[in-house]
Amino acid sequence: DGGITQSPKYLFRKEGQNVTLSCEQNLNHDAMYWYRQDPGQGLRLIYYSQIVNDFQKGDIAEGYSVSREKKESFPLTVTSAQKNPTAFYLCASSIRLAGNTGELFFGEGSRLTVL
Amino acid sequence: AQKITQTQPGMFVQEKEAVTLDCTYDTSDPSYGLFWYKQPSSGEMIFLIYQGSYDQQNATEGRYSLNFQKARKSANLVISASQLGDSAMYFCAMRDDASGGSYIPTFGRGTSLIVHP
Repeated sequence: DGGITQSPKYLFRKEGQNVTLSCEQNLNHDAMYWYRQDPGQGLRLIYYSQIVNDFQKGDIAEGYSVSREKKESFPLTVTSAQKNPTAFYLCASSIRLAGNTGELFFGEGSRLTVL
Repeated sequence: AQKITQTQPGMFVQEKEAVTLDCTYDTSDPSYGLFWYKQPSSGEMIFLIYQGSYDQQNATEGRYSLNFQKARKSANLVISASQLGDSAMYFCAMRDDASGGSYIPTFGRGTSLIVHP
């Protein structure tokens, strides 16, 4: 079955440590996204990539980094510079074809807790 | 300024009744798309329905329909015959060309729907 796989589902981190969240898709989608979700808030865009080896900052990129070396993979690193990293992180992908609705396909999310 | 506004933090509905979840949006782009997603307690976001700005008719998908009022910039989700499994967070999102070609969806804060037996 095609889909998006995020891992780990739950992650605990000590302050000052970097952590990397994995996102893999087998949908052959060009575009991939990382969103952060906090209680009572919608999804806020961290980074997105519309093609391999290229990515752009979203609204809240500070303290995060990404790479897009393969079409299938878009890992997110939460660095120690991120002041408040405890949140639910969602990875998504979409088709980039003219005439397509551009709906997002989401993974199951990764919940990061900083101790 | 917020591009997507969902004014109902929480809604309650009796099983088998219909419910409307409100969404208003703000864009100056004539070409845009509107989405609704469902997020159960498990966390995964599930796509429900899409409406394009040039679509003449309101979108429907099974028990879901989108009440699109372009002049009012409103895109309300109507769920007919509510089921217990409809209890979830619901997010409205819009994709426009405000970012100059990136076409990235922006999400509202969501509405929590609880369906009572």
